[in-house]
Amino acid sequence: NAGVTQTPKFQVLKTGQSMTLQCAQDMNHEYMSWYRQDPGMGLRLIHYSVGAGITDQGEVPNGYNVSRSTTEDFPLRLLSAAPSQTSVYFCASSADGDQPQHFGDGTRLSIL
Amino acid sequence: EDQVTQSPEALRLQEGESSSLNCSYTVSGLRGLFWYRQDPGKGPEFLFTLYSAGEEKEKERLKATLTKKESFLHITAPKPEDSATYLCAVRDGGYNKLIFGAGTRLAVHP
Repeated sequence: NAGVTQTPKFQVLKTGQSMTLQCAQDMNHEYMSWYRQDPGMGLRLIHYSVGAGITDQGEVPNGYNVSRSTTEDFPLRLLSAAPSQTSVYFCASSADGDQPQHFGDGTRLSIL
Repeated sequence: EDQVTQSPEALRLQEGESSSLNCSYTVSGLRGLFWYRQDPGKGPEFLFTLYSAGEEKEKERLKATLTKKESFLHITAPKPEDSATYLCAVRDGGYNKLIFGAGTRLAVHP
């Protein structure tokens, strides 16, 4: 079972570059989320989606865009990378709002 | 303001030495408390969900309990393979009001 798959696993960018972090799940889950994890801090919600075509902002949305055109995929776009966006990014999915979230193994992003 | 605090930040145990991790929270309306395990370089792995004070869940050497203001993850006779970071999260109100603590790094030495 693949579960939640994130690509790439590692990425180095220069300040000002843009890129898309990919997230795909094969569990037919309606709910998907993006988090960032920084040292000494808890996971923080960036954006989330409760179904195809529906997205909303989380706690730290600035500098990031999302879209949800299919149930399976939920890409996260960095519009103009900044060093403050250096972090580990996790995608998660769940069947509905009351179920626990299943996480991918993360994308480690460094911005120089 | 909603807040989740985990203690200690790090814990070192000898194999077989039982202990507890703490997760204290302040939320306006708890709709579930979650425990996750995270191994280095991996995403969090779900362990337990607790919904109401007095509830307990067990899995192998782990037991999670919940009161109105905190949760404990008890580890009985731990083994080196229990070494990981343990994360606590609470759900407040709507689905994606999931608030994580910073985690407790557990190291179990033989």
